Amino acid sequence: AQSVTQPDARVTVSEGASLQLRCKYSYFGTPYLFWYVQYPRQGLQLLLKYYPGDPVVQGVNGFEAEFSKSNSSFHLRKASVHWSDWAVYFCAVSLYQGGRALIFGTGTTVSVSP
Amino acid sequence: NAGVIQTPRHKVTGKGQEATLWCEPISGHSAVFWYRQTIVQGLEFLTYFRNQAPIDDSGMPKERFSAQMPNQSHSTLKIQSTQPQDSAVYLCASSLGGNYAEQFFGPGTRLTVL
Repeated sequence: AQSVTQPDARVTVSEGASLQLRCKYSYFGTPYLFWYVQYPRQGLQLLLKYYPGDPVVQGVNGFEAEFSKSNSSFHLRKASVHWSDWAVYFCAVSLYQGGRALIFGTGTTVSVSP
Repeated sequence: NAGVIQTPRHKVTGKGQEATLWCEPISGHSAVFWYRQTIVQGLEFLTYFRNQAPIDDSGMPKERFSAQMPNQSHSTLKIQSTQPQDSAVYLCASSLGGNYAEQFFGPGTRLTVL
């Protein structure tokens, strides 16, 4: 069955430090993958999306992610974290090659220390 | 562009009462999705409409839950005889409907069943 695993429930990072959030997927076929962010008391906002093509995708606010078919992974990165990046980050895979229901991981809470 | 609108933002019901949640998708979007978010289960897909027609309701509980999209400007999620375990944030999303279409999420309706 299709699934998404985010192994880290919480990550704490210092402001200005780099960030990597891990995402592993299980999907039969070519996945369409997404990273969403949820700020406190707000809805989900799209950070970036992967459709079959270049494995490294750029998103908003300096985020990027790299798709690896061999590792079944779609890790999110940011070179320098800002305090405003304090949020919950969700990795998701779209069923049936996009345009359909999203299957979400359990989310990773990022806390930023001064 | 007002984004996806969900009303009410908060709803409190007594056990056994009915709850109706409303979603207004972004104008021009042909696909509407409903998800449920809880601490225990995370983000779960419920149901999906395209051009007002129900396409996939595989995530909907078979009893007490129903969804409709009577016109292109709104969708409703109705829960009959609400139970405490129905307490959750219900998220609505819309998209342009194609395979490459990203989903835009509303702020959610927080349902509390006492």
